[in-house]
Amino acid sequence: DAGVIQSPRHEVTEMGQEVTLRCKPISGHNSLFWYRQTMMRGLELLIYFNNNVPIDDSGMPEDRFSAKMPNASFSTLKIQPSEPRDSAVYFCASSLVYEAFFGQGTRLTVV
Amino acid sequence: SQQGEEDPQALSIQEGENATMNCSYKTSINNLQWYRQNSGRGLVHLILIRSNEREKHSGRLRVTLDTSKKSSSLLITASRAADTASYFCATDRNSGGGADGLTFGKGTHLIIQP
Repeated sequence: DAGVIQSPRHEVTEMGQEVTLRCKPISGHNSLFWYRQTMMRGLELLIYFNNNVPIDDSGMPEDRFSAKMPNASFSTLKIQPSEPRDSAVYFCASSLVYEAFFGQGTRLTVV
Repeated sequence: SQQGEEDPQALSIQEGENATMNCSYKTSINNLQWYRQNSGRGLVHLILIRSNEREKHSGRLRVTLDTSKKSSSLLITASRAADTASYFCATDRNSGGGADGLTFGKGTHLIIQP
């Protein structure tokens, strides 16, 4: 298996634009997580899905953020409109039991 | 909110020495995990210790868990330059014990001097 695949690896966008981050989890994993990492706040859990259903989105910072998982092999995290404070590395991770497998992350810069 | 808090925040040692990192957490857990992150990469799972275990080994890694003190330590023996990375402890978010979203600390940045 190729592991968790995220795209794009880097994204630079202007404030106010819509940003969509994509994730393909490891086949067979039933849990998917979106994390955000910044120097100030560390690694924060934004939302997680179990069997494609959103279980806990309490970490989503505000209504500008939304996440979907239309099927077991694909998830998106959308920010609309984007703001400079959204600049961070966004990680997707998937899991079957306890161990989480992380993608390489998307480095988002909002200017 | 942060569940796991690692210390020290940064650690620099000579190659061949042992490196010890600590983690404290606040609430009851079912297990505690340690992850490594190389610069610019995703986190990689190192080891998991269950709440009923006190010590666990994996290669050059030794993890201890003290549930009465709500703390854990990660020891890397005979460090190598390739061990340079950030190390995070992670705890499960609820008593269900499944991967319901791990809570990470801010990590210990380990530098191994050649």
